[in-house]
Amino acid sequence: DAGVTQSPTHLIKTRGQQVTLRCSPKSGHDTVSWYQQALGQGPQFIFQYYEEEERQRGNFPDRFSGHQFPNYSSELNVNALLLGDSALYLCASSLVSGGTSGSYEQYFGPGTRLTVT
Amino acid sequence: LAKTTQPISMDSYEGQEVNITCSHNNIATNDYITWYQQFPSQGPRFIIQGYKTKVTNEVASLFIPADRKSSTLSLPRVSLSDTAVYYCLVGDETGANNLFFGTGTRLTVIP
Repeated sequence: DAGVTQSPTHLIKTRGQQVTLRCSPKSGHDTVSWYQQALGQGPQFIFQYYEEEERQRGNFPDRFSGHQFPNYSSELNVNALLLGDSALYLCASSLVSGGTSGSYEQYFGPGTRLTVT
Repeated sequence: LAKTTQPISMDSYEGQEVNITCSHNNIATNDYITWYQQFPSQGPRFIIQGYKTKVTNEVASLFIPADRKSSTLSLPRVSLSDTAVYYCLVGDETGANNLFFGTGTRLTVIP
């Protein structure tokens, strides 16, 4: 059973460019959340998708947008990249219903390291 | 949205029991408490989740007092591989609010 996968692993972009990051959730999961983690900081919540809709959003500008597909996979798009967007981008999947265990744990992928120069 | 407060860092010797306390004074009636562990350059990993009293799994125990305004993650007999950052989160059963990480506690296990 594959866990959460993310692509690419690493990415280098120039200021002003656009980037798309991809995430495939753990098998059976229906909810995907995206986080940005700067060096030495805790993960910062960007947004969460469920049933192809943005369900909740953190304090990020609308340069950050996303999408969830019918197979539950998701994309994170960032436009007009800034140097401050350099970070580890984490995707996490979960079951909105909590599953049979009743636990609402999130399973995280390994992340995409984005460097903006 | 309940905010959590944790110590920034802790040191412990190998083989000792480590207790990390998290304060969440504004926890709501429907909120669960969840702890994650994160190693450098990896995504956080779920450790344990609870609502009240005590929860134990193969990795850790979680103690929650009756007022639920704090919780304590207990790691028995730590080893060097337990060196990591530990995060405490609170959120309701929809999972929607169980999303906001604080700065976490950096645990360093010393040989």
